[in-house]
Amino acid sequence: GAVVSQHPSWVICKSGTSVKIECRSLDFQATTMFWYRQFPKQSLMLMATSNEGSKATYEQGVEKDKFLINHASLTLSTLTVTSAHPEDSSFYICSARAARGGAGEQYFGPGTRLTVT
Amino acid sequence: LAKTTQPISMDSYEGQEVNITCSHNNIATNDYITWYQQFPSQGPRFIIQGYKTKVTNEVASLFIPADRKSSTLSLPRVSLSDTAVYYCLVGLAGYSTLTFGKGTMLLVSP
Repeated sequence: GAVVSQHPSWVICKSGTSVKIECRSLDFQATTMFWYRQFPKQSLMLMATSNEGSKATYEQGVEKDKFLINHASLTLSTLTVTSAHPEDSSFYICSARAARGGAGEQYFGPGTRLTVT
Repeated sequence: LAKTTQPISMDSYEGQEVNITCSHNNIATNDYITWYQQFPSQGPRFIIQGYKTKVTNEVASLFIPADRKSSTLSLPRVSLSDTAVYYCLVGLAGYSTLTFGKGTMLLVSP
């Protein structure tokens, strides 16, 4: 149980275009989803917290107009990288919190490798 | 959020028990301790979570002393496939965000 999927698993796009990444909780409902970014040989950095039906909360330094997040249902959140540039190339990972007892542990998706050329 | 400190890297051999210790001196009363495993180009995988004393599941054990200022992830009889980065995180029950530190790169050799 507690499976999170991401689509696509990898994407290559040209500079200036927009890319949408989907995050789905397959076997549970997630009122909260999170988006992380990870550069090579570095740790995960939280970008934003996505709550179903409300606006996302962005971490300091993350441009909300560049990284659009939509959490339209209890099983789907999307991250759109608008006007992508080569410096946006990174590994994007989502997670969903399963609020079942304990501390509501987060379950992570497999990640999406974005390369902007 | 409580800050965590882990060794940057550890080496082991197949079949050995590996213990990775994490320090979290300013852990709060309601904080849980959670460990994740991450392979290259994959999302982190939940390993184990605990609040106090000892927790065991099918893949690992988590030891937490009474003062909860540290915790130890124990991996019994590691194999080559356990080579990965292991992250220790602490957070309030139900708290929305997790802060990932640098993690511990475990290298298991034949």
